[in-house]
Amino acid sequence: DAKTTQPTSMDCAEGRAANLPCNHSTISGNEYVYWYRQIHSQGPQYIIHGLKNNETNEMASLIITEDRKSSTLILPHATLRDTAVYYCIVRGETSGSRLTFGEGTQLTVNP
Amino acid sequence: ETGVTQTPRHLVMGMTNKKSLKCEQHLGHNAMYWYKQSAKKPLELMFVYSLEERVENNSVPSRFSPECPNSSHLFLHLHTLQPEDSALYLCASSQDWLQKQYFGPGTRLTVL
Repeated sequence: DAKTTQPTSMDCAEGRAANLPCNHSTISGNEYVYWYRQIHSQGPQYIIHGLKNNETNEMASLIITEDRKSSTLILPHATLRDTAVYYCIVRGETSGSRLTFGEGTQLTVNP
Repeated sequence: ETGVTQTPRHLVMGMTNKKSLKCEQHLGHNAMYWYKQSAKKPLELMFVYSLEERVENNSVPSRFSPECPNSSHLFLHLHTLQPEDSALYLCASSQDWLQKQYFGPGTRLTVL
């Protein structure tokens, strides 16, 4: 699976949009981009995933560049409860492809 | 509430003890996973079960022994652990082993 690079930490003001970037320059054509988050001392939570088109659900939007080498997770109106570590994971939909968690980005939403 | 429960939530054990962690999923999923999260480290995948068969074992020491009696339950049997095994142990499930995973709250294990 392709490796991802994320900033170690980011801050965001409550009520503003949080834009979390991820670089995955070695992604291959059949690999998806997944985003999970982990609130302190809890299990990770699935947020969203996509292949090449932008995706939106009730939690967030995922913007994938046309060359697929990077993506951005957007939380449109961040709340204090969105403070968490956000993981960007690239994963192939083939047999044996695991979900490999890296260091992630610590997002802190400030009042 | 993700539909994946884990018990106990906290466990303290000595190095000579034998204990078991339990995971149950109420989602009708066919795949279940054990992960380990040590302090300041990323999650590490330990075991994967698909349709009650172990499909992945990532060089985990034999003092950790998984068991999957049916598609809803997953156990992790622990014996003669070391202090460095202290960690948060997370269970997850997915519809099949390629789909998005739902995680339980974890068991915080401390080995004295």
